Amino acid sequence: DAGVIQSPRHEVTEMGQEVTLRCKPISGHNSLFWYRQTMMRGLELLIYFNNNVPIDDSGMPEDRFSAKMPNASFSTLKIQPSEPRDSAVYFCASKIGLVNTGELFFGEGSRLTVL
Amino acid sequence: AQTVTQSQPEMSVQEAETVTLSCTYDTSESDYYLFWYKQPPSRQMILVIRQEAYKQQNATENRFSVNFQKAAKSFSLKISDSQLGDAAMYFCAYRARETSGSRLTFGEGTQLTVNP
Repeated sequence: DAGVIQSPRHEVTEMGQEVTLRCKPISGHNSLFWYRQTMMRGLELLIYFNNNVPIDDSGMPEDRFSAKMPNASFSTLKIQPSEPRDSAVYFCASKIGLVNTGELFFGEGSRLTVL
Repeated sequence: AQTVTQSQPEMSVQEAETVTLSCTYDTSESDYYLFWYKQPPSRQMILVIRQEAYKQQNATENRFSVNFQKAAKSFSLKISDSQLGDAAMYFCAYRARETSGSRLTFGEGTQLTVNP
């Protein structure tokens, strides 16, 4: 079975450019999470969706970050304009439901470097 | 706000030996879940073991077991018969059992090295 699929795996871009990270959750999972991992702050939850609806976006650092989930099988995290401090690994994760004990499955992450 | 603390940035163990990774957390909730995730160099986060706070019995998954001390808010991971493939970053994580959301809070991580 396919796990959570993220693309691109690596991206290097210049400051000011728009970055779009993509995620395909596991089929049947209705909760989707975007995390960011940096050496300084560890793993931070940016936003999560349930049934395609954003539930909590309080972790989104600023207005330059936006996330969408147009359907149950696709989500994007966009940074516009990007800055060097956005360099991090961005993880997408999915699970069934919100409050049960179902396992959170992570993708392999997208490593973003902003020069 | 809930916090998760892993006080050991790095640990090492000899192959076939046992190692214990520490984790403490702070919460005012009475019902919650605790997790240990493993992140190998491939970066993918893999669930190692899960504990439900209302269960007194410590969770066990093959060579992995936890020592859950609810009163002390401690949740350590014991790896027995360590193998080279256990080398990874290990994250302790907490999630409250709440109806309004499902925020998973991670600790800072412990880098485990397994020496042959």
